[in-house]
Amino acid sequence: AQSVAQPEDQVNVAEGNPLTVKCTYSVSGNPYLFWYVQYPNRGLQFLLKYITGDNLVKGSYGFEAEFNKSQTSFHLKKPSALVSDSALYFCAVRPTGGGNKLTFGTGTQLKVEL
Amino acid sequence: NAGVTQTPKFRVLKTGQSMTLLCAQDMNHEYMYWYRQDPGMGLRLIHYSVGEGTTAKGEVPDGYNVSRLKKQNFLLGLESAAPSQTSVYFCASSFRQTTTGWEQYFGPGTRLTVT
Repeated sequence: AQSVAQPEDQVNVAEGNPLTVKCTYSVSGNPYLFWYVQYPNRGLQFLLKYITGDNLVKGSYGFEAEFNKSQTSFHLKKPSALVSDSALYFCAVRPTGGGNKLTFGTGTQLKVEL
Repeated sequence: NAGVTQTPKFRVLKTGQSMTLLCAQDMNHEYMYWYRQDPGMGLRLIHYSVGEGTTAKGEVPDGYNVSRLKKQNFLLGLESAAPSQTSVYFCASSFRQTTTGWEQYFGPGTRLTVT
């Protein structure tokens, strides 16, 4: 069965600094990987996905993620954090040929401070 | 387009009461899902549907039932609510086509408290 680990419950970053939110996965076969963001009292919003091809994926709001097959990781990054980026971030995985279901990580709270 | 909508937004139930949560989507998605979100546990899939008239169990189906009589609607029912069902419930939908990558679109959530 597939699984996703987000090793940090919370990440604190100063505004203007680069940010990284970590995600590692375990799945049989090639994975489809996703990042979602959740603002307070809101549903999850899709940020970006990796299906195949270029290991660096660009998404919404200046976020990008790097797929690393050898390290089974899909870390979310942004070159310059904004206070408005503060939110809860979820990584999710779907194995190739694994049907329609996603497995989500437990989430990482990102706090960007002035 | 409204996307995915959920009603109600908030509800307080007493133990043993029943209720139905309604999810509607206007994106013509084939697949729909119900999740619950609990602190420190991420999202867990309760039930899902791959098309009108079909439903299937997810990771945590016990105590819940679902129905998908129309393509655009997916109902989640609690027959006899328990305090362990206190949670935030999210509905999501997605296309069936594999070329889209299976991203799901989420509703705003329903916060349910069972006392």
